[in-house]
Amino acid sequence: EVQLVESGGGLVQPGGSLRLSCAASGFTFSSYSMNWVRQGPGKGLEWVSYFSSSSGTVYYADSVKGRFTISADNAKNSLYLQMNSLRAEDTAVYYCARRSASSTSGRYFDYWGQGTLVTVSS
Amino acid sequence: EIVLTQSPGTLSLSPGERATLSCRASQSISSNYLAWYQQKPGQAPRLLISGASSRATGIPDRFSGSGSGTDFTLTISRLEPEDFAVYYCQQYDSSPPWTFGQGTKVEIK
Repeated sequence: EVQLVESGGGLVQPGGSLRLSCAASGFTFSSYSMNWVRQGPGKGLEWVSYFSSSSGTVYYADSVKGRFTISADNAKNSLYLQMNSLRAEDTAVYYCARRSASSTSGRYFDYWGQGTLVTVSS
Repeated sequence: EIVLTQSPGTLSLSPGERATLSCRASQSISSNYLAWYQQKPGQAPRLLISGASSRATGIPDRFSGSGSGTDFTLTISRLEPEDFAVYYCQQYDSSPPWTFGQGTKVEIK
């Protein structure tokens, strides 16, 4: 069974840093690309960042570029998001989501973790 | 960036009724790389439909997706009590940013 478990959220002051983790199990982690998606309180979903273990390719949303860094450790089956220079508008539940294997339907987000809450406030 | 606009914002229906949700893209989505997700309060999104019309594993056949290009529809043929939730469409075209619609809430009338 595919499982994604996020951790590392919490309360941080504006300008502070936080590192999120996503522990993966039930599949060959190194064979899939992964994403972080966030959801502000009472808001919709926003894609944040992408990481491909096979190519090392990373992408970021403009809203976090230069402040957030995505990485992964295949030996630990884990995905990370280092968040620096945090702002109030970064307050959200952060989900990790697996990008599916290639298919005729493309590569959608097939499995999601339960999320971890990040609150940026003084 | 492809902007997705979902309508209506809220749909008030009774169990057993048919729900029709719309998702319109600001530009054509290649290969119909459009997904639908269901989200209940306090839960993660759950994949329902990929490729505009392919149901995900374990999704009941009362859920169906259709459309192409810029106009897509999610239909729930007969609403069950567990279907009252928020639904999001997402485009996952070749390159990011991969964007989501703002969501449609299906509530009990």
